[in-house]
Amino acid sequence: DTGVSQDPRHKITKRGQNVTFRCDPISEHNRLYWYRQTLGQGPEFLTYFQNEAQLEKSRLLSDRFSAERPKGSFSTLEIQRTEQGDSAMYLCASSPWDRRDYGYTFGSGTRLTVV
Amino acid sequence: RKEVEQDPGPFNVPEGATVAFNCTYSNSASQSFFWYRQDCRKEPKLLMSVYSSGNEDGRFTAQLNRASQYISLLIRDSKLSDSATYLCVVSHNTDKLIFGTGTRLQVFP
Repeated sequence: DTGVSQDPRHKITKRGQNVTFRCDPISEHNRLYWYRQTLGQGPEFLTYFQNEAQLEKSRLLSDRFSAERPKGSFSTLEIQRTEQGDSAMYLCASSPWDRRDYGYTFGSGTRLTVV
Repeated sequence: RKEVEQDPGPFNVPEGATVAFNCTYSNSASQSFFWYRQDCRKEPKLLMSVYSSGNEDGRFTAQLNRASQYISLLIRDSKLSDSATYLCVVSHNTDKLIFGTGTRLQVFP
């Protein structure tokens, strides 16, 4: 499979627990993006990486959220002390740096439910 | 006010109809424009890029009016399989995409 893969597909967690999601981008893509989508809304930008460097973070990314891309390949998004408002679909996307104006390829997302 | 505004719909149209979606964006520095399609509980997928001269891909035609900061998508001869949410997307400097809330289309037999 040469697409963007995300794991897990679904996560149910209790409020206050920590969760971590993983994204494996398309191998030749050096840009990786995280978005969050809630019901009835479009995806909202959270953060992005070029290789291992995190270049921008949205103000939506509170201090409970942290993202890493340690070797410029896969990325993780961790949410600490989850709240019910964190329930959403977390989408990862990737693009090649030199063709990013051609749009992104998204993964299938991780659906988080905080109970 | 959201940076990318779309009518959420739903647009309910019969098979074979022509339907048009509109979108406005607020940042005049926007440089790249796209339409994405999203099926229920699936990830968004690129439908087409939008160019200043307008562009067509089969039954789909996209238009961009930079002066009015307005983007449109026209779907001709609607199919049942066109039922989805259509997301209007802009980018300022191609570093991140900014999505509208989407317009839901339902094509009925």
